[in-house]
Amino acid sequence: DIQMTQSPSSLSASVGDRVTITCRASQNIGTYLTWYQQTPGRAPQVLIYAASSLQGGVPSRFSGGGSGTDFTLTISSLQPEDFGTYYCQHSYGTPPWTFGQGTKVEIK
Amino acid sequence: QVQLVQSGAEVKKPGASVKISCKASGHAFNNYAIHWVRQAPGQRFEWMGWSNAANGYTKYAQEFQGRVTITRDTSASAAYMELNNLRSEDTAVYYCARGQRDCSGTNCYYWFDPWGQGTLVTVSS
Repeated sequence: DIQMTQSPSSLSASVGDRVTITCRASQNIGTYLTWYQQTPGRAPQVLIYAASSLQGGVPSRFSGGGSGTDFTLTISSLQPEDFGTYYCQHSYGTPPWTFGQGTKVEIK
Repeated sequence: QVQLVQSGAEVKKPGASVKISCKASGHAFNNYAIHWVRQAPGQRFEWMGWSNAANGYTKYAQEFQGRVTITRDTSASAAYMELNNLRSEDTAVYYCARGQRDCSGTNCYYWFDPWGQGTLVTVSS
């Protein structure tokens, strides 16, 4: 199975900060990558699919980039409602489509 | 509004089975795949399997082969996941999720949206 590794595991940032989370795949996955946000007690919600396509209804401060093995999720100006844990998931080939271990974002 | 609503929390003893339901509303149930994913405490999400809407095809993750069964009742717009021979390591929140797809040329991108609210399964003697 393809292994997905995120960094950092956690971060603390202030409102208005630019935040970047990285996700690395153990092999080339093209742009078959999705980003989710999960807040405590809730199910994950998709932010970005196909590495850089913004899901409808998601604020434009979220953006995704990368291809091959290295990907980024950027929040251009962190807002209080952006706290939670962010996960990447690949969808290369047939399932299983594995997830990263998550990056917990806290607001200072 | 597209929604997946799962059955409630379960407490089971080791060796028992659990069957979780996932009822869909707000979309044509038969047009989408349903995936099952779990998250054990402090662990990453783990994909368990999926059911293809068009033909009922199912595929399971290797680590669950022989223990998991995914079924659908199209008349009820519901999917089910049954996990047998439970052990303490199966304590987790279990989610169903709709498979979404966007195809551009020969490339088809997949993601899960929406997810059910999750069902906590606790396995304890």
